[in-house]
Amino acid sequence: QTVVTQEPSFSVSPGGTVTLTCGLSSGSVSITYYPSWYQQTPGQAPRTLIYNTNTRSSGVPDRFSGSILGNKAALTITGAQADDESDYYCVLYMGGGNWVFGGGTKLTVL
Amino acid sequence: EVQLVESGGGLVQPGRSLRLSCTASGFTFADDAMSWVRQAPGKGLEWVGFIRNKAYGGTTEYAASVKGRFTISRDDSKNIAYLQMNSLRTEDTAVYYCTRVQVVTKFFDYWGQGTLVTVSS
Repeated sequence: QTVVTQEPSFSVSPGGTVTLTCGLSSGSVSITYYPSWYQQTPGQAPRTLIYNTNTRSSGVPDRFSGSILGNKAALTITGAQADDESDYYCVLYMGGGNWVFGGGTKLTVL
Repeated sequence: EVQLVESGGGLVQPGRSLRLSCTASGFTFADDAMSWVRQAPGKGLEWVGFIRNKAYGGTTEYAASVKGRFTISRDDSKNIAYLQMNSLRTEDTAVYYCTRVQVVTKFFDYWGQGTLVTVSS
């Protein structure tokens, strides 16, 4: 059973930079997993932020960026704003039309 | 403008069935793959299943947690994707989201607003 790992929670100061990560319980994340990232605020549908590791979805501010850092996918928010306070989910493509979501990271901006 | 609208959610008893619909507009539905993702109350997102477009056989894939109980289908003439859920369990209680899938870059680019399914006696 493949488990995709994310930090349960993270905190950042307004204007600060934070990097959220997305790993595998066994093995390393690479571009071949096509990591994508989604932002969700309470009661709302997820919003697509990043796909194919590092491509921003339409309309997403450039303070959001994606990358591979070491053996994990990463989402970096540079110059965090109050309305970035959300849950962030990564998802990895496992092949054969199968995906696995990470457990999500609750980001607090304070 | 791409729109995905889910419907069909509600309260259902354990062991019973329910069918969700996802009505699409703003794009050529027949050309695209679709997926369902769910979110239990207070929990994270969980991928449920995927249906390819007819050019790729319209075949389906499912998460282990629903395989054999859930079936995804599509009616390209009506621009609707379906999620047939049988033998429902209390742990299937969730908001169910319909998504469009970009098959080349393997991500979910548009999401519906979701429909709540509650499985309870």
